[in-house]
Amino acid sequence: DTEVTQTPKHLVMGMTNKKSLKCEQHMGHRAMYWYKQKAKKPPELMFVYSYEKLSINESVPSRFSPECPNSSLLNLHLHALQPEDSALYLCASSQVTGAISGELFFGEGSRLTVL
Amino acid sequence: AQTVTQSQPEMSVQEAETVTLSCTYDTSESDYYLFWYKQPPSRQMILVIRQEAYKQQNATENRFSVNFQKAAKSFSLKISDSQLGDAAMYFCAYTSYGQNFVFGPGTRLSVLP
Repeated sequence: DTEVTQTPKHLVMGMTNKKSLKCEQHMGHRAMYWYKQKAKKPPELMFVYSYEKLSINESVPSRFSPECPNSSLLNLHLHALQPEDSALYLCASSQVTGAISGELFFGEGSRLTVL
Repeated sequence: AQTVTQSQPEMSVQEAETVTLSCTYDTSESDYYLFWYKQPPSRQMILVIRQEAYKQQNATENRFSVNFQKAAKSFSLKISDSQLGDAAMYFCAYTSYGQNFVFGPGTRLSVLP
């Protein structure tokens, strides 16, 4: 199984809503990532979890709150978002962070629209 | 800081022809990995090919091959016998020990029938 599964595929929310994005992998990877991607742009790193601990937060606004309940699951909780937060949110995993060998495995992404 | 540059925002190729996408990077590290990722319109980023910096031999994967010039810090992707399914955004990426991935801005490849 070499898949990273993300749900939902599409999400529309108002600025006062609270919603969550979910990501799951069963490859035994110990590093998981959230990326934000705008149209025709490369992914921008948001958060990195390594062995279920938050290791990197790229100065992401607190309206985005990540959570890693276990080594297979990664959530991104969304609250009070702004229209400019509309984007494709990609989850990825790799064997470990800091190791030079690991490639990133990406999910299909969750397309978020904030009204 | 490491940077990755892709100087061709858009490229097109005729079906069955060969196309080369360019990538240059800047690093002071001696040991690192380089990747080409493909993102079709269906969105999922998938790995096309990777190159370990310590290996002199250029990586190949079926119709995909790279020209890795370490001294020049150049890492181009050659797609032979282009197919309609090759149409996608292609991102060059870099990583080294203790570093996260750095992506280039991408090249949009169109394949003309």
